[in-house]
Amino acid sequence: GENVEQHPSTLSVQEGDSAVIKCTYSDSASNYFPWYKQELGKGPQLIIDIRSNVGEKKDQRIAVTLNKTAKHFSLHITETQPEDSAVYFCAASTGNAGNMLTFGGGTRLMVKP
Amino acid sequence: SAVISQKPSRDICQRGTSLTIQCQVDSQVTMMFWYRQQPGQSLTLIATANQGSEATYESGFVIDKFPISRPNLTFSTLTVSNMSPEDSSIYLCSVSSGGYGYTFGSGTRLTVV
Repeated sequence: GENVEQHPSTLSVQEGDSAVIKCTYSDSASNYFPWYKQELGKGPQLIIDIRSNVGEKKDQRIAVTLNKTAKHFSLHITETQPEDSAVYFCAASTGNAGNMLTFGGGTRLMVKP
Repeated sequence: SAVISQKPSRDICQRGTSLTIQCQVDSQVTMMFWYRQQPGQSLTLIATANQGSEATYESGFVIDKFPISRPNLTFSTLTVSNMSPEDSSIYLCSVSSGGYGYTFGSGTRLTVV
């Protein structure tokens, strides 16, 4: 089955700096890669996703890149703000209806004011 | 995207008892998923709940311990049976409308004493 590894497990940055979180996956059939943000006491919220037919997607300060050959994808957050502090999870799926998401181990991002 | 209401949001239970968690969606959805998130850990899929058929359980999870109901396309329950302190976790339901998107409930924080 699919295995997703995520690095780093914790990341501390200064407000205004950029943050990068990286994930690798094992199943070459995976073609859908979402990123979730989980704040304390809340469920994961989708912040951005990418499908295998594109290499990069951007939404304001957040971007995701995908390298299907190397089987890795990354989350980039620019101009970080204290409210970006949370746990971030990457995930992978084949995208077929009903197919489960396999999650990475999570990254605790701390943005210091 | 779908809006999920999950109840209870938290509970403290005695070992040996059972707790039923409810997940209500504001629209009809094809697939519903139940996840467990142990303290400080990532999300692990417990089972996939389909309307009109038995749930499909992942390795390490059994129906006797985590019975699931899916009476219609907007509702599901997960029961955590004969609880022990090791069952203390956040339990999350998630839905897929049949496409790529997955939405999560806010979770049930369970503490077993």
